[in-house]
Amino acid sequence: SAVISQKPSRDICQRGTSLTIQCQVDSQVTMMFWYRQQPGQSLTLIATANQGSEATYESGFVIDKFPISRPNLTFSTLTVSNMSPEDSSIYLCSVLTGVGDSTDTQYFGPGTRLTVL
Amino acid sequence: DAKTTQPTSMDCAEGRAANLPCNHSTISGNEYVYWYRQIHSQGPQYIIHGLKNNETNEMASLIITEDRKSSTLILPHATLRDTAVYYCIAPNFGNEKLTFGTGTRLTIIP
Repeated sequence: SAVISQKPSRDICQRGTSLTIQCQVDSQVTMMFWYRQQPGQSLTLIATANQGSEATYESGFVIDKFPISRPNLTFSTLTVSNMSPEDSSIYLCSVLTGVGDSTDTQYFGPGTRLTVL
Repeated sequence: DAKTTQPTSMDCAEGRAANLPCNHSTISGNEYVYWYRQIHSQGPQYIIHGLKNNETNEMASLIITEDRKSSTLILPHATLRDTAVYYCIAPNFGNEKLTFGTGTRLTIIP
């Protein structure tokens, strides 16, 4: 398994500002992901954070709004830019551990609860 | 991902076995079935996964039908802390991209 921490755990921000969320895992992992969970909804994948290269975004998500960095195999950041109240959500980091076979498992961080006023 | 269908909600008495069904009739031969749960406002917790054989770990058992079109997650002795939303997922990129549906909201009743 993997131990994942996120900072901050929650924040209240003003519209038009940006927030950077950090994700730290206790061991090197091959893949890291960022998800969003809007109020009352299920999780939606935002992007795959690629180490040393640009993140791979899912349909409906763009780099200008959600820039992602992954400088090494244990750390990633997600920035929510130019925030609006519609960005109020829980943002979750996840990691994929394993050796590339059926034992690979995805683990999730505790999430960052963002409220935009 | 193969489409999965789960009941919206279920109740189970504390101490009894909770059996959560999932239909995945379009699953392909190399797609695994994964189960996660999300306790209120926390990150999803991995429970178990399997391909075609039944699996058991310290948290639960996973029973997959022979035709692989459905499966059942079994929590053998449910406690109040098992109250959560349970997600059945059959990703088609290994375990890389997880598509979360609405899941089953399981309520354990004292």
